[in-house]
Amino acid sequence: EAGVAQSPRYKIIEKRQSVAFWCNPISGHATLYWYQQILGQGPKLLIQFQNNGVVDDSQLPKDRFSAERLKGVDSTLKIQPAKLEDSAVYLCASTLDTGPRGYTFGSGTRLTVV
Amino acid sequence: KQEVTQIPAALSVPEGENLVLNCSFTDSAIYNLQWFRQDPGKGLTSLLLIQSSQREQTSGRLNASLDKSSGRSTLYIAASQPGDSATYLCAVHQGGKLIFGQGTELSVKP
Repeated sequence: EAGVAQSPRYKIIEKRQSVAFWCNPISGHATLYWYQQILGQGPKLLIQFQNNGVVDDSQLPKDRFSAERLKGVDSTLKIQPAKLEDSAVYLCASTLDTGPRGYTFGSGTRLTVV
Repeated sequence: KQEVTQIPAALSVPEGENLVLNCSFTDSAIYNLQWFRQDPGKGLTSLLLIQSSQREQTSGRLNASLDKSSGRSTLYIAASQPGDSATYLCAVHQGGKLIFGQGTELSVKP
């Protein structure tokens, strides 16, 4: 089966610019997650979707970050405006349900803000 | 608030050594614990998942243990190989999401 697809792989932007990341989960996976991984740290959950509804966005900096999952399939994560501290790898993951089985991660998008 | 800590942050060993990676967590009310491997520029690959009712899981040269009461897990790698070089992350499942430690960067020298 195809894995979780993410694009772009790399992105370099200047601070205060905007950027968007895209994720296509595994077909049939109802739950989609966006994680932020700062260099030297473990991934931190930003937002969790169940189908096209938000389950948990408590750690999403909502003044600058937004995410949507249209039709319960693909998802986009946007940052506007970006700050230097947003430099990180953004990982998308999907699972069949909210349980632990079938957790599949994409390769991530590495964002550098200069 | 759940906090997950991994020790050591980095480890370098010669090929063939057996080694242990440590993970601790502050809240024992977890659904289960999972160990992942992350190669540079890649996503996370699941290695072992231990249900909260289990004590250990084994896969090939890997063995993971879980002691919920003390909030600890260990990942044991037998007869290490250069191909084992990667970052190893442990994560606890709580509230439908994964909470990660900061990882242990392992380097196995030929």
